[in-house]
Amino acid sequence: NAGVTQTPKFRVLKTGQSMTLLCAQDMNHEYMYWYRQDPGMGLRLIHYSVGEGTTAKGEVPDGYNVSRLKKQNFLLGLESAAPSQTSVYFCASTIAGGPNEQFFGPGTRLTVL
Amino acid sequence: ELKVEQNPLFLSMQEGKNYTIYCNYSTTSDRLYWYRQDPGKSLESLFVLLSNGAVKQEGRLMASLDTKARLSTLHITAAVHDLSATYFCAVVGFSGNTPLVFGKGTRLSVIA
Repeated sequence: NAGVTQTPKFRVLKTGQSMTLLCAQDMNHEYMYWYRQDPGMGLRLIHYSVGEGTTAKGEVPDGYNVSRLKKQNFLLGLESAAPSQTSVYFCASTIAGGPNEQFFGPGTRLTVL
Repeated sequence: ELKVEQNPLFLSMQEGKNYTIYCNYSTTSDRLYWYRQDPGKSLESLFVLLSNGAVKQEGRLMASLDTKARLSTLHITAAVHDLSATYFCAVVGFSGNTPLVFGKGTRLSVIA
């Protein structure tokens, strides 16, 4: 099992460019999450999904969109990147029910110039 | 709104000493998680605490949960350099599979 994987690992964008971050998990988890991590801020939830075809907003959703077309994949899109979106992005997944322990991907370091 | 506070946010300890990190949360919850993060790395699950009075231990780390006080502690015994990392606690709201809310993390540095 690869667990939770993220693509790409690093990316540099110019202001106004768009990009999509891909999260994939092979654990058959129902729930998937996107977080951003900034110095001194801990992890903040951007969007999450409780199943294929469903998404919901988290604490800091503005400027991001998500899609969950397949159970194993959760995409995070930036339509028009801004310097304030410079961050490290983590994807996580967990099974429905149970202890809700989340498993994290390796992260994507994004810089917006 | 569920809020999670950790203290201290920064901790420098000498090798061999003991210390405790505190995690307070603002609303009822019966699930609390501790994670470790090394610099430039992802989060690694340490403990899952699922009931009042739960205590779990792994090596020099011991975590406990008091749901009545809305408090969890992470106790470090006889610290060693390898424990240097950032430790996060996270809490689920009482309604069950709602997303985790994380504390801001405690950056631990163990020095000789």
